[in-house]
Amino acid sequence: GENVEQHPSTLSVQEGDSAVIKCTYSDSASNYFPWYKQELGKGPQLIIDIRSNVGEKKDQRIAVTLNKTAKHFSLHITETQPEDSAVYFCAASRGGSARQLTFGSGTQLTVLP
Amino acid sequence: GAVVSQHPSWVICKSGTSVKIECRSLDFQATTMFWYRQFPKQSLMLMATSNEGSKATYEQGVEKDKFLINHASLTLSTLTVTSAHPEDSSFYICSARDLGRDGTKNIQYFGAGTRLSVL
Repeated sequence: GENVEQHPSTLSVQEGDSAVIKCTYSDSASNYFPWYKQELGKGPQLIIDIRSNVGEKKDQRIAVTLNKTAKHFSLHITETQPEDSAVYFCAASRGGSARQLTFGSGTQLTVLP
Repeated sequence: GAVVSQHPSWVICKSGTSVKIECRSLDFQATTMFWYRQFPKQSLMLMATSNEGSKATYEQGVEKDKFLINHASLTLSTLTVTSAHPEDSSFYICSARDLGRDGTKNIQYFGAGTRLSVL
């Protein structure tokens, strides 16, 4: 089955700096890669996703890049703000009927004011 | 994004009692919903996949008689923790899959989670 590895497990950045979180996946048939943000005591919130037919997607301060050949994808947050502090999870899934998500282990991002 | 409502957000119960958690997709129909369990500072662990009108598919190691799942409509799935014990205390999160109008969207939206504490 699919295996998703996520690094780093913790990340501290100064407010205004950029943060990058990286994930690798094992199943070459995976074609959907969402990122979720989870605040303490809450459920994960979808913040951005990318499908395998594109290499990069951007939404304001958040961007995701995908390298299918190397089987890795990354989340980039620019101009970080204290409210960006949370746990971020990457995930991967195949298309078709086998569409369940496999999650990475999570990254605790702390933005220092 | 789409909204998934999960209720209750927090429940405390005595050992041996049963607890029901509801998960509703508010603005889309979800033929498939998922139930996860999350331990502190860990990732989400898939417990089971709930399919509308059919039996749930449980992950290896998850007791189906312990965690009863019912997905009777396209907008509601329930998880019942039967005869709960302290080791069942955890954060349970549901998600609903939005396939969109043509079935190709395939996005999972999550509920806010339920914190279960069994005394």
